[in-house]
Amino acid sequence: DAGVIQSPRHEVTEMGQEVTLRCKPISGHNSLFWYRQTMMRGLELLIYFNNNVPIDDSGMPEDRFSAKMPNASFSTLKIQPSEPRDSAVYFCASSLLVEQYFGPGTRLTVT
Amino acid sequence: EDQVTQSPEALRLQEGESSSLNCSYTVSGLRGLFWYRQDPGKGPEFLFTLYSAGEEKEKERLKATLTKKESFLHITAPKPEDSATYLCAVQARETSGSRLTFGEGTQLTVNP
Repeated sequence: DAGVIQSPRHEVTEMGQEVTLRCKPISGHNSLFWYRQTMMRGLELLIYFNNNVPIDDSGMPEDRFSAKMPNASFSTLKIQPSEPRDSAVYFCASSLLVEQYFGPGTRLTVT
Repeated sequence: EDQVTQSPEALRLQEGESSSLNCSYTVSGLRGLFWYRQDPGKGPEFLFTLYSAGEEKEKERLKATLTKKESFLHITAPKPEDSATYLCAVQARETSGSRLTFGEGTQLTVNP
């Protein structure tokens, strides 16, 4: 199995620009999670989907963040407009039962 | 609110020097406690799930144990390749949802 796939692996953008992060979960998994990791706050859950439906988006910091899962094999996390404080590593994870399996992450730098 | 506290923040061991990492938790009904390993520049890698007090799981030099208040990750005769950040997370027993609450992690360095 290829595992969870994320793209891009690195993203550098200027403040105010739109950023789209992409995730392909493990085939057959029915839950997908978006996390953000920073030195200050550690690993935080932003949103998760079950069977392509958003279940809990209470971790989404503000309206600038949005996430979609149009089908079982693809999800996006969009930030518009981006701000320097959004700089972090964003992880996507998927699960079938209980254990969550993480992708390699996207390192986002907003200047 | 679910809380996870890991200690120590950092641990430096000599190769072969056994030790334990601690994960204290507060959760409204534990569904599962998870241990992950994270190497620099990579995503967390799943190690163990523990469901009830008294349960133990082993993998190579690692053994995870669980009580009603905390979990320990015991590392026996560690090697330099065991160097990583070890993360603990809990999942509450809810009627729906799969939210994990993570601790801050313990950064382990094993010197040859």
